[in-house]
This record gives sequence, C-alpha cells and structure tokens, in this order.
Amino acid sequence: NAGVTQTPKFQVLKTGQSMTLQCAQDMNHNSMYWYRQDPGMGLRLIYYSASEGTTDKGEVPNGYNVSRLNKREFSLRLESAAPSQTSVYFCASSAQTRIGDQYFGPGTRLLVL
Amino acid sequence: KNEVEQSPQNLTAQEGEFITINCSYSVGISALHWLQQHPGGGIVSLFMLSSGKKKHGRLIATINIQEKHSSLHITASHPRDSAVYICAVHSSYNTDKLIFGTGTRLQVFP
Repeated sequence: NAGVTQTPKFQVLKTGQSMTLQCAQDMNHNSMYWYRQDPGMGLRLIYYSASEGTTDKGEVPNGYNVSRLNKREFSLRLESAAPSQTSVYFCASSAQTRIGDQYFGPGTRLLVL
Repeated sequence: KNEVEQSPQNLTAQEGEFITINCSYSVGISALHWLQQHPGGGIVSLFMLSSGKKKHGRLIATINIQEKHSSLHITASHPRDSAVYICAVHSSYNTDKLIFGTGTRLQVFP
C-alpha cells in the first residue's frame, strides 16, 4: 500500500517548456487535490477533483491544467512554464468528498529557469 | 489578513519542554486539522477536530469554536518533534477545500 505517489521528485525546466506532474493513490479515495507551497505562504490549492470525471479550480489555477484520468490518477500540466511557477507541488487525496483527512504525496520540487 | 493565522512562526525548545502552538481563524469552520511537515518535506495529518480535545501520544489538540482558536501541545518534547506544524480549516461555506496557515517551525535541541 503505497498511499499517494508523485513523479517526478525534482524537475528543472526552462521558461516556456511544458511538463506533466503525475499523481496516483491506491486508497480508493474519491477526492484528489493539487497544491503548491511557496516560502512564507501556506499551501495553496491549484485544482481539485471531488470525484472521478470532475475537476474544479482552486485558489491559484492560472497557468495549470489538470486531468482526472481515473479514480486513481490526477495529473497537473504546465503548458508553458514560467519562473513564478517555481515551487514545491503536493498532491493529496481524501476519502470523503467534503470534510476528511487528506493524505499527501512526497512532493515535487520544480525549478523554472 | 490571512484567514488562518499561526503563532509563533518559529519556536525553539530544549528537549523535555512543553510546547504550545496556536492557531486563530476568522471564518466559520466545519473542522480544523493539524498537520506535520517533516524536514524532508513529507506532510502527515496529526488531528482533525471540530470540538473539544484530542490526544495522541504526547500530542494534544484543543479547539474553542466560540473563540475561533485552536492549540497544539507537545508534552516532553524531543528532537524528533522538530518539524513545521500546519493548521488548516474546512470553512463552513465550502467544505471541499482546506485553508492553510503558514506553519510554525519548531526546533527541539537535545
């Protein structure tokens, strides 16, 4: 039982390049989330998916797209990376659509030059 | 002003000391979480509470809904407790999402 896994762990991009961050969970959770964490700021929600087939914008969605491929997988895509997207990205999942414990992945550290 | 405020931002302690980290919030909430982020970056959930008090080992979390305040206490602190402790709330108007505080960095020295 791996919990929530994320790939890659670390990535360096040049401005304008694209990439997809992958997230998978094996806990049969309905809800999945993408957050970014920047120094001096709390975790901020980028996008979330309350259930398979649905996605919604969070607090900071600009410059990102997501896909809820199936119940297990939720990917985050940067179409044209910008230095402002340098951050640590966390994927999380929870069993309940609403209130409930969230289980976090190990994070992806992204540097955009 | 952030909807979730934590204090202090940084905290150092000697091993064995009693630690208190505070969280105040300005929105109506359905539940409050305390999370721990290890130096390596991983985040784990410690508590979810909506009233009263919860205890797990040396960790105690309390919440006062009327005062919109929660505290996380660590008894007999140990260097392995060194981490960032994060408070987060489910707001009453949108329980799908968590609102996070900026965290309290705790260092416990032997």
